[in-house]
Amino acid sequence: AQSVAQPEDQVNVAEGNPLTVKCTYSVSGNPYLFWYVQYPNRGLQFLLKYITGDNLVKGSYGFEAEFNKSQTSFHLKKPSALVSDSALYFCAVRDKGGYQKVTFGTGTKLQVIP
Amino acid sequence: EPEVTQTPSHQVTQMGQEVILRCVPISNHLYFYWYRQILGQKVEFLVSFYNNEISEKSEIFDDQFSVERPDGSNFTLKIRSTKLEDSAMYFCASSAQGQLNEKLFFGSGTQLSVL
Repeated sequence: AQSVAQPEDQVNVAEGNPLTVKCTYSVSGNPYLFWYVQYPNRGLQFLLKYITGDNLVKGSYGFEAEFNKSQTSFHLKKPSALVSDSALYFCAVRDKGGYQKVTFGTGTKLQVIP
Repeated sequence: EPEVTQTPSHQVTQMGQEVILRCVPISNHLYFYWYRQILGQKVEFLVSFYNNEISEKSEIFDDQFSVERPDGSNFTLKIRSTKLEDSAMYFCASSAQGQLNEKLFFGSGTQLSVL
């Protein structure tokens, strides 16, 4: 079975400060890892993915995420937060040995304070 | 960027009634999915669909649920006899090639309220 944990329901950060949204995962094999963002009244939008290779992956809107196999983590980061980054962020995992199913976390609400 | 469209945006129904949620995936995509999100909870996988058949489904997707691609463009989710606990936001998604690393494109969702 595969699962994702996002330990923080909400993260507050001041505009211009670095942000981190945490994610840990569990899969039986090797993972594909994703971050999606959801703005109000919108569907989930893809931000970035880790497949293989460099542990630091870069995605849309200046976001990046670091894959840490030993800690089974895939935290989302951005060096300087914008008010427009305020949204709901979902971490997701798919087992490389699995099939189509992507498992999402419970989501973390990011609030960037002006 | 191409979009997945879902209709209606809101659906209110009485318990025991049938509902059909509609989705138009991105035109050249081959893999289709339904997910749902109960208020305040995680996004849950329901079913994936490829080549006119279900490729994977979750334990949530019981006999009350069915999916169909009736005309080559629409992708529907039917709930035969709705229950109160079916109230949720239902998201349709599609992907291009079905590779395990392919990103999903989501619609804006249908908010289903069962009274």
